[in-house]
Amino acid sequence: DVKVTQSSRYLVKRTGEKVFLECVQDMDHENMFWYRQDPGLGLRLIYFSYDVKMKEKGDIPEGYSVSREKKERFSLILESASTNQTSMYLCASNRDSRYEQYFGPGTRLTVT
Amino acid sequence: ELKVEQNPLFLSMQEGKNYTIYCNYSTTSDRLYWYRQDPGKSLESLFVLLSNGAVKQEGRLMASLDTKARLSTLHITAAVHDLSATYFCAVDIFTGNQFYFGTGTSLTVIP
Repeated sequence: DVKVTQSSRYLVKRTGEKVFLECVQDMDHENMFWYRQDPGLGLRLIYFSYDVKMKEKGDIPEGYSVSREKKERFSLILESASTNQTSMYLCASNRDSRYEQYFGPGTRLTVT
Repeated sequence: ELKVEQNPLFLSMQEGKNYTIYCNYSTTSDRLYWYRQDPGKSLESLFVLLSNGAVKQEGRLMASLDTKARLSTLHITAAVHDLSATYFCAVDIFTGNQFYFGTGTSLTVIP
């Protein structure tokens, strides 16, 4: 079975802090994705990566950056957390675009 | 910009009844995915529909895809409480790896 893991299930940070969310997949998938999920807005893509060191902006990249130094690991970075970044963050991966994405358990981030 | 619309957004139905959730999208695609999300949990893949006319069934759920109408349906037969969850459709377009998700349909099955 594909397994996508995220470093934290719950995280509380203060405004202005730098925040790292990590995601690891164990199926040698090429593509990895970061979404945020907010009530009434569904899932919105922040960034995705189709190869090591490669990244593409999604629909809402502002205030975020990403890093993919190894194929299995994709990190989301909030350079200076703000309260409007309080959300559920979901990581996903897939082999290529013809296949469904597999999701991690999510990280619920609260910025106070 | 691709838009993916689901309706209804909220659905409350009695056990034993049938219902259909609709997913409309605004641009050409022949790849559509259905996911289920339980409260506080992540998304679980239900169906992958990869061509016009594709139909997949699993238990009480059946999904279909009409690429000409840009429409997918998720049909629920004889609902049971265990089907209570939020259901998302997602569309993949040809130019890249990006999925576009609908806003979800929150289904509650009442005994």
